[in-house]
Amino acid sequence: AQSVSQHNHHVILSEAASLELGCNYSYGGTVNLFWYVQYPGQHLQLLLKYFSGDPLVKGIKGFEAEFIKSKFSFNLRKPSVQWSDTAEYFCAVNAGRGSTLGRLYFGRGTQLTVWP
Amino acid sequence: KAGVTQTPRYLIKTRGQQVTLSCSPISGHRSVSWYQQTPGQGLQFLFEYFSETQRNKGNFPGRFSGRQFSNSRSEMNVSTLELGDSALYLCASSSHGTVVQETQYFGPGTRLLVL
Repeated sequence: AQSVSQHNHHVILSEAASLELGCNYSYGGTVNLFWYVQYPGQHLQLLLKYFSGDPLVKGIKGFEAEFIKSKFSFNLRKPSVQWSDTAEYFCAVNAGRGSTLGRLYFGRGTQLTVWP
Repeated sequence: KAGVTQTPRYLIKTRGQQVTLSCSPISGHRSVSWYQQTPGQGLQFLFEYFSETQRNKGNFPGRFSGRQFSNSRSEMNVSTLELGDSALYLCASSSHGTVVQETQYFGPGTRLLVL
C-alpha cells in the first residue's frame, strides 16, 4: 500500500519567511501527487498537483512544489509567507497511470502558523 | 455553482447504533469519494463511487458501506458503531475522477461522535 510522510507536524514562521514543507511517499511506480490546504473553518482545497511533465509545479497563492523522483519527494515551497497562509497542509498521492482521482492517500498534515 | 454539501453536519450516536451520512456532489459531478479523518489516523480513504458503481474501496471493515444514486448523491452507512468510529467524514466530488483534467472538491464534512 502507498503511504505518505510529512515530516513536520507544526511549523511556525514570521511573515515574509520562506517556507518548505516536506513530503515523502512510498510507491515504486508512477504516481500522481497533490498538496491540499485547509484554512481555519474552511473545506480542504487543492493547492497544486503533479501528474507528469515539468517536475516543478506551480499552484495557487504563490505556492510551488518540486517532484524529485529519486528521492520520492514532493516538497511544498513558498518564498515569502503571509499571515493568511496559516492553515493545515496535506500532501497526498495516488497510484499513477490510469488511476482514478478518487482514491488518495494522505499524509498526516502540517499545521503552519504565520505570525504577523 | 453550489459546492459539495454534506448532511448532517454534526451527529451524536451511541455504541451499537447505525448511522447514515449523505453527500450531494457538485452539479454535474459523477464521482464521489469518502474519507474518514481522525487525529490518530489522519485522512483515510473509505470508498469511491462513479455512476452508481463502487470503483475503489479502502481498508475498512464491512460495517462501513456506501452507495450512490442515479442523481450522483451518495450515502455512507456505518452499522454497529464503535467508539473508534468517532471522526470527521469527508466527501469529495469530481466530474469523472480522472487525475489529469480534474480537481476533487471536498465538502465540509460530517462530524460523528460515538458515545
